[in-house]
Amino acid sequence: KAGVTQTPRYLIKTRGQQVTLSCSPISGHRSVSWYQQTPGQGLQFLFEYFSETQRNKGNFPGRFSGRQFSNSRSEMNVSTLELGDSALYLCASSARQVMNTEAFFGQGTRLTVV
Amino acid sequence: AQSVTQPDIHITVSEGASLELRCNYSYGATPYLFWYVQSPGQGLQLLLKYFSGDTLVQGIKGFEAEFKRSQSSFNLRKPSVHWSDAAEYFCAVNLNFGNEKLTFGTGTRLTIIP
Repeated sequence: KAGVTQTPRYLIKTRGQQVTLSCSPISGHRSVSWYQQTPGQGLQFLFEYFSETQRNKGNFPGRFSGRQFSNSRSEMNVSTLELGDSALYLCASSARQVMNTEAFFGQGTRLTVV
Repeated sequence: AQSVTQPDIHITVSEGASLELRCNYSYGATPYLFWYVQSPGQGLQLLLKYFSGDTLVQGIKGFEAEFKRSQSSFNLRKPSVHWSDAAEYFCAVNLNFGNEKLTFGTGTRLTIIP
């Protein structure tokens, strides 16, 4: 069974640009969550999507958005990039409707804003 | 405030020695509890999880963790570490079934010396 796939693995963007990151969950998983990891703030929850609907949202500005498609693949978008958005962005998938389920993480996308 | 605490930022142990990484949580009810491991530049790999039942849980790579309700702790242990265990370890909690948000501790970086 293939794991969680995130693309691209690395990105370099200029301040003010926008970026889109992609996440393909494990087959059969319908929940996708996104996290930001930085040395200063650690791992922080961005949002969760399930059945193409955002179910939960962390404390991030509106520049961070996402969506989920009917095949459960998810994209995350960051507009008007700031230097502080440089981070490892991790995607996790889970079988949300199943009791006692755990989240499986992808390898992450390393975003560098210059 | 609700939180997850990993009091040790960095731990160094000799190869073959035993290991214990601490995790405490501050929530009104018992959350779901997880330990993840992250190698440099990589995603998170689930080591083990606790949902209910037996308070001593076994995980992958020879790790185990014990849930102690009275101490609000979920400490990770390994009887004999290997050089390949050098990584960063994160304790995480999930508060509700149906809410996939994970709240992470700040992590403990483990260094193994020969």
